[in-house]
Amino acid sequence: QSVLTQSPSASGTPGQRVTISCSGSSSNIGSNTVNWYQQLPGTAPKLLIYGTNKRPSGVPDRFSGSESGTSASLAISGLQFEDEADYYCGAWDDTLRGPVFGGGTKLTVL
Amino acid sequence: EVQLVESGGGLVQPGGSLRLSCAASGFTFKNDWMHWFRQAPGKGLEWVSLIYSDGSDTRYADSVKGRFTTSRDNAKNTLYLQMNSLRAEDTAVYYCARHLSDYSNNIDRDWFDPWGQGTLVTVSS
Repeated sequence: QSVLTQSPSASGTPGQRVTISCSGSSSNIGSNTVNWYQQLPGTAPKLLIYGTNKRPSGVPDRFSGSESGTSASLAISGLQFEDEADYYCGAWDDTLRGPVFGGGTKLTVL
Repeated sequence: EVQLVESGGGLVQPGGSLRLSCAASGFTFKNDWMHWFRQAPGKGLEWVSLIYSDGSDTRYADSVKGRFTTSRDNAKNTLYLQMNSLRAEDTAVYYCARHLSDYSNNIDRDWFDPWGQGTLVTVSS
């Protein structure tokens, strides 16, 4: 049982805009910024968004993050086949004194 | 290039021990907190432990507390995870990751980058 809650799956067609949501509580998302990690099949997680809405160098601006209260969202615009992956949200939890994650959302590009 | 490379995974019997290593390169290892994470087959990410940059403090997930020990050798740029009393539910790919943080505009940000490629630990008789 993950501390943060994500829908297990999402899908879209090439060119579409898809949103993945992440729900938490006051001890994590409500008081700390959110990070998103992309995990392509058979590979390690890769940082996609940090500090809720910042993109590391090399991440296309098709990826964007936002937050409201105890929830956060990852938006992917101009969907491409190469975006098919698992996406995890994560945040620091002040009660647990460590990071927590969502269960992951499997994105399928149809 | 900033890189982390794990090693030491393998097959171990329940109750056994294993030590994982994570070799760091491309950054000043001694300046950064480091973490271990794991991912059971077909499951999501789970935080395992963290260690301060100088090794002065460590924290553990409840699921591994008392069985796992994290340490580091800053002279060798290497992070370790000693795993004892292993259980079937410890079967997972184990990743190390660098902790980065930033404080600006009154906002604290913490994130993990990069992650190593992972090493598989299988606990089975």
